[in-house]
Amino acid sequence: DAGVIQSPRHEVTEMGQEVTLRCKPISGHNSLFWYRQTMMRGLELLIYFNNNVPIDDSGMPEDRFSAKMPNASFSTLKIQPSEPRDSAVYFCASSPRLGLAGGGDTGELFFGEGSRLTVL
Amino acid sequence: DQQVKQNSPSLSVQEGRISILNCDYTNSMFDYFLWYKKYPAEGPTFLISISSIKDKNEDGRFTVFLNKSAKHLSLHIVPSQPGDSAVYFCAASGDSGYALNFGKGTSLLVTP
Repeated sequence: DAGVIQSPRHEVTEMGQEVTLRCKPISGHNSLFWYRQTMMRGLELLIYFNNNVPIDDSGMPEDRFSAKMPNASFSTLKIQPSEPRDSAVYFCASSPRLGLAGGGDTGELFFGEGSRLTVL
Repeated sequence: DQQVKQNSPSLSVQEGRISILNCDYTNSMFDYFLWYKKYPAEGPTFLISISSIKDKNEDGRFTVFLNKSAKHLSLHIVPSQPGDSAVYFCAASGDSGYALNFGKGTSLLVTP
């Protein structure tokens, strides 16, 4: 089975440009997470979706960041305009959760390989 | 504010010896704890977990211990192997229900 697929794997762009990161979760998983990894802050949760609905976006740094999940098999994280401090590795993860009121949830997330963003 | 803390950024251990990675948390609502392993240029992968109703969980060479009163957990790897060299992240959930809170990671180097 294919795992979580992210694209692009690497992106180098100039300050002020728009960046779009893409994610295809594992088929059948109904929760999707976007994390950002930096040396200073480690892995930070940016936003997560359950059944394509954003549940918690309190980790999104500012209005320049937006995320969508138009269907169960695709999500995007957009940064507009990008800044050098946005340089990081962005991970998408999915989880086969049973729903917000479900039980038996082990909390395990399945991560993609990440998108390394460099903003010059 | 970091709710999950891994205070050792790196650890070096000789092959065959025990590796002990530590993690502290501040949120008493956390009820599930996980360890993830990450190789360079790859995403983190799940390693082992423990529920707050237990104090130990073992899977082969990997054992996780949980001390709820101290809000502390540790991962023991014995015997350590060179292939265990990776960054290990501690994670916890329970407060917001489903989102995992991660520590900054500990880079483990196992030398031959």
